[in-house]
Amino acid sequence: EIVLTQSPGTLSLSPGEGAILSCRASQTVSTSYLAWYQQLPGQAPRLLIYATSNRATAIPDRFSGSGSGTDFTLTISRLEPEDFAVYYCQQYGTSPLTFGGGTKVEIK
Amino acid sequence: EVQLVESGGGLVQRGGSLRLSCVASGFTFSSYWMSWVRQAPGSGLEWVANINQDGSENYSVDSVKGRFTISRDNAKNSLYLQMNGLRAEDTAVYYCCLGGISRRDAFDIWGQGTMVNV
Repeated sequence: EIVLTQSPGTLSLSPGEGAILSCRASQTVSTSYLAWYQQLPGQAPRLLIYATSNRATAIPDRFSGSGSGTDFTLTISRLEPEDFAVYYCQQYGTSPLTFGGGTKVEIK
Repeated sequence: EVQLVESGGGLVQRGGSLRLSCVASGFTFSSYWMSWVRQAPGSGLEWVANINQDGSENYSVDSVKGRFTISRDNAKNSLYLQMNGLRAEDTAVYYCCLGGISRRDAFDIWGQGTMVNV
């Protein structure tokens, strides 16, 4: 099983600031099979990024993904009020599919 | 509009059974892999199981093997999760998720979830 470790656990930032979220895998993940999801309180997760760096439909360009091998990053260039949420990375190339533990981005 | 609507959750005793359903609309259901993902209260996401387009192939996480069965009825645009031998650790919100044409696709659309309390 591929274990995904996200850091930091919580990120306290102000609107307008940038955010960098990390996802580290216990073994190599193909860039084709790494995704990021956003979950707002009380809501279902929403796909943000697939295949490491491709934005899903209607996702604004302030969200970007990068990485390779075992290290992946989600960057939010300028935080909007609606971006304060929990973010999860996921690998979907190897069964069992696995998620990271999440990073909470909270308002400072 | 693409939509997934889950139902069937509720309160059940340990060792009991429950069958979750997910009705899909707005897309050609029979063309896509589908998955169930769960989230325990205050916790992260855990993939549970997935199934291919015609139901001939499926996979699940070890913790539910032998207890949970994923299935689908393409004529009814419906996905199911039969859960037997329920344990306290199965308590979670269960989400139905739309995958892709390939088994290796991200989860493009999620339902609103249905809560299971054991």
